[in-house]
Amino acid sequence: DARVTQTPRHKVTEMGQEVTMRCQPILGHNTVFWYRQTMMQGLELLAYFRNRAPLDDSGMPKDRFSAEMPDATLATLKIQPSEPRDSAVYFCASGLDRARGSGNTIYFGEGSWLTVV
Amino acid sequence: AQSVAQPEDQVNVAEGNPLTVKCTYSVSGNPYLFWYVQYPNRGLQFLLKYITGDNLVKGSYGFEAEFNKSQTSFHLKKPSALVSDSALYFCAVRHTSNYQLIWGAGTKLIIKP
Repeated sequence: DARVTQTPRHKVTEMGQEVTMRCQPILGHNTVFWYRQTMMQGLELLAYFRNRAPLDDSGMPKDRFSAEMPDATLATLKIQPSEPRDSAVYFCASGLDRARGSGNTIYFGEGSWLTVV
Repeated sequence: AQSVAQPEDQVNVAEGNPLTVKCTYSVSGNPYLFWYVQYPNRGLQFLLKYITGDNLVKGSYGFEAEFNKSQTSFHLKKPSALVSDSALYFCAVRHTSNYQLIWGAGTKLIIKP
């Protein structure tokens, strides 16, 4: 059963610490998304990769957030330094985009639940 | 601007009754429309999508959705609700320029026994 795998599932950290979240997309998928979900803002797109290249990170606070895909099986989202307002659920999703604009489905991981105190 | 609206924050339905969760959209060109469900403390799960073809789309867990071009709507439906259908439901449409998904705010569905 193919699925997107995210680690850690839960993280509590102190303000100022670095947080790294990892995502293993579904094997063969060529698009990866990082979303943040909060009660106030709902679902926000932070970053989008296609064939490992970052295509859109306009939703990501650049001063403290960074997203990378070191290889096709790993995507990372880092926050340094973390702040209490970063407390949220961070979702990774992946999809197979055969052609830009196609109606491909994206599949979500179970999320990384981050609390910054 | 391209957008999706879920006009109801919450929908309450008695078990066994039909349910409808509403979604309207605004995009230029042909829309690609999606429904996802999120159970408590879980990720979003894909339910169904409309790309082209038959306006009535069937999906997982007995859900279906009807695409209505004239009303720019894509309402999610189920003939007989189960308590286990209680969850948060998201409608999304693919942006026709940058191909990103535009998400609705979500509708909390509560099915009462």
